[in-house]
Amino acid sequence: KNEVEQSPQNLTAQEGEFITINCSYSVGISALHWLQQHPGGGIVSLFMLSSGKKKHGRLIATINIQEKHSSLHITASHPRDSAVYICAVRFLLSGGGADGLTFGKGTHLIIQP
Amino acid sequence: GAGVSQSPSNKVTEKGKDVELRCDPISGHTALYWYRQSLGQGLEFLIYFQGNSAPDKSGLPSDRFSAERTGGSVSTLTIQRTQQEDSAVYLCASSPSPAGGYGYTFGSGTRLTVV
Repeated sequence: KNEVEQSPQNLTAQEGEFITINCSYSVGISALHWLQQHPGGGIVSLFMLSSGKKKHGRLIATINIQEKHSSLHITASHPRDSAVYICAVRFLLSGGGADGLTFGKGTHLIIQP
Repeated sequence: GAGVSQSPSNKVTEKGKDVELRCDPISGHTALYWYRQSLGQGLEFLIYFQGNSAPDKSGLPSDRFSAERTGGSVSTLTIQRTQQEDSAVYLCASSPSPAGGYGYTFGSGTRLTVV
């Protein structure tokens, strides 16, 4: 079964802390996305990865294809980073299966001032 | 347009009525996706369009759900005889390529409440 697991489900941290959110998946993928969803807001695509590491501002995303694992890091966290962070993968097609993304349940991050 | 536009942003309907949700993708994006996010649940894939055809309808939860896309652009998701369990945020996303190789852009969603 194609599954995406995220951890932790909830994370509360103090402003300035280094944050790590993890994502693991069950079978081969063609791409992994990290998404951000603010309360009552839409979804913003942060990163799309198929290998290695990407950095944008204070956000860093890494992926280890062999271990089927990705991490999203936030350096010098700020209250405005408070949001739900969602890992989503596109599994390698098998016999014409779903072409859409499979989503993790999300990590609810709160950064306290 | 500049982004993916969905309408209405909120819809309250009575159980048993039909509803239509609209998605206007980014111009030129050939791939269009519908997802659903129920309260307390993760996002769930519903259907994928490449151009006007829907090669993958595997995520539609029942035959009350249908979707079409015309002119390779606007898509409509129709839910017939709505039930309370259909209450959710319905999200649309588009991508320049069918494999999402250039990433996805999401709309703001339609919050559907069935009373």
